[in-house]
Parts: sequence; C-alpha cells; structure tokens
Amino acid sequence: EDQVTQSPEALRLQEGESSSLNCSYTVSGLRGLFWYRQDPGKGPEFLFTLYSAGEEKEKERLKATLTKKESFLHITAPKPEDSATYLCAVQPPAWGSQGNLIFGKGTKLSVKP
Amino acid sequence: KAGVTQTPRYLIKTRGQQVTLSCSPISGHRSVSWYQQTPGQGLQFLFEYFSETQRNKGNFPGRFSGRQFSNSRSEMNVSTLELGDSALYLCASNTQGQGETQYFGPGTRLLVL
Repeated sequence: EDQVTQSPEALRLQEGESSSLNCSYTVSGLRGLFWYRQDPGKGPEFLFTLYSAGEEKEKERLKATLTKKESFLHITAPKPEDSATYLCAVQPPAWGSQGNLIFGKGTKLSVKP
Repeated sequence: KAGVTQTPRYLIKTRGQQVTLSCSPISGHRSVSWYQQTPGQGLQFLFEYFSETQRNKGNFPGRFSGRQFSNSRSEMNVSTLELGDSALYLCASNTQGQGETQYFGPGTRLLVL
C-alpha cells in the first residue's frame, strides 16, 4: 500500500534555529513529490514539486530535497511567520490515480520569537 | 489570475440532512479534485473530475457524490449526513500534463450536529 510518513509530528524552534522536516514514502513509480504549507482554517498552499532523486528547490528560507525514499524540507533561520503545518504529498503512477495525491499527516511547526 | 473559490465557507447541518458544496477552479483548469480533511485521518481523496467525467474515486461510501459542469465548476454532495462527516472539505484545481500541480481552495468547514 502506498504510504507517506512525516516526522516529527510537531516541532518547536526558536527564531533563527534551523532544522529539517522529513517525509518518507513507499510509492512505486513516483511521478512527483509535493510540499504544501497549511495555516489554521485555510487550504494548503503549494510550495514545491520534486520529480527525481537529487533534485532540490528553494524558496526564501525553505529548501526541499528528494532521494529515492524520502524528502527533506530544510528551514534556515526560521521566523515566527513560518509557523504552520507542512504537508508532504506524493503522486503515484498515472494509471488509476488521476488527480489523487497521497498526503502525510503533516508536521506542525512553531517558531517562537 | 483568480484562485480557487469554494462556497459556502461554513455550514452547520444535522444528522440525516444532505449538503451540496461548490468549487470554481482556476480559469483554464479542467481537472478538479476533492478531499476530506479531519484531524485524525488528514487529507483523504474523494474523487477527481476532468471535462465533466469522474476519472478517479477514493474509498468513501456512495453517500458522497460529485459532478462537474461544462464551465469546469464542480459540486460535491453528501447525503444522509453522519456526525463523522464533520470535516474541512477541500477542492483542488489541477494543472495537466508534465508537472501536474494541485492548487487548493480555502475549503468548506462542515459541522454535523
């Protein structure tokens, strides 16, 4: 069964304290891996798509990387406004999976000033 | 470019009633996915529509149904509501082809009493 596991479930950081979030997956023939940010009461906001092992994407203080079995979201010198739940999702092979992303449960990040 | 809109944003219903939620995708997008988000299960895929046809369906009972209109707007319906249907219902507007990405709306918060 295709699965996505995120760790840790919750992470508390001090402002400026860099860290990484992990997303491991068991999907054969991965077509894409996605990172989203979700604020309370809102829909997920798209951050990155990664397609192949070794690929990296950056946006402001965030950097996403991908290996054959997992992805990392690195947060450098976080600020309080980075506090949110970060969701990882994978896109299985095309046949029979149109429009279906498999999501992890998320990592809730809190950044204290 | 306007984002994904969902109406209504909040709903309170009682057990046994039915409910219809609406989603307008990003202009030009022909694929729409629906998800249910709960604290315990996270985001779970309901179904996906493309050009008025349901292409994929998740593991939800037949009480959950949907449709898509010729202008790509989509609706989902839940009949005979149960307490466990209380959730955030998210609609995603999907790009197609290489680099498919899902862009989410703000969601509809449904509370079943």
